[in-house]
Amino acid sequence: GAVVSQHPSRVICKSGTSVKIECRSLDFQATTMFWYRQFPKKSLMLMATSNEGSKATYEQGVEKDKFLINHASLTLSTLTVTSAHPEDSSFYICSARGSVEKLFFGSGTQLSVL
Amino acid sequence: ILNVEQSPQSLHVQEGDSTNFTCSFPSSNFYALHWYRWETAKSPEALFVMTLNGDEKKKGRISATLNTKEGYSYLYIKGSQPEDSATYLCALRGAQKLVFGQGTRLTINP
Repeated sequence: GAVVSQHPSRVICKSGTSVKIECRSLDFQATTMFWYRQFPKKSLMLMATSNEGSKATYEQGVEKDKFLINHASLTLSTLTVTSAHPEDSSFYICSARGSVEKLFFGSGTQLSVL
Repeated sequence: ILNVEQSPQSLHVQEGDSTNFTCSFPSSNFYALHWYRWETAKSPEALFVMTLNGDEKKKGRISATLNTKEGYSYLYIKGSQPEDSATYLCALRGAQKLVFGQGTRLTINP
């Protein structure tokens, strides 16, 4: 099946620094990728929809200046958490759309901000 | 607004036993229902996509049903094996996005 690679799997950073998370579709082209966030014992919550070559669409309540999304190619989307603070500590996971009903997920990134 | 509830939150089952869990949704206003299996430190893996009331899907020992009129989907695992230990996610696809439930964490005891 299709593979989506997400890196890093775990990152610890100091408060105020920025962190970039990469999501790559390895064997297919993904015009649309999604970024989710998950707090402990909660559902995956959609943060934004990333479309290749255009601006991301953010869900209500998600700060676009805090969570910068770039989808510059058909195989790569990045999420940058800018000026990270402890409350940004969470699990982030991406998915890439293979077709309307086929989503392929990365393995997620655990972000800890000290 | 799509709302998805899964129950139970966690479940311990003896190896060899069969089990099932539920995905509930108050509205039938969605395009498809997805089930995923998510093993620790791995990517969620698609199990089933169902769209029609009465849909039944099967993959080996795992099967799922969909009842849109009463607002639920069941996932069944027959003869549980240790490799079935995972979190099972249910999600509804609206016009643009998937809305996930909290998942059911299944542990198979050998």
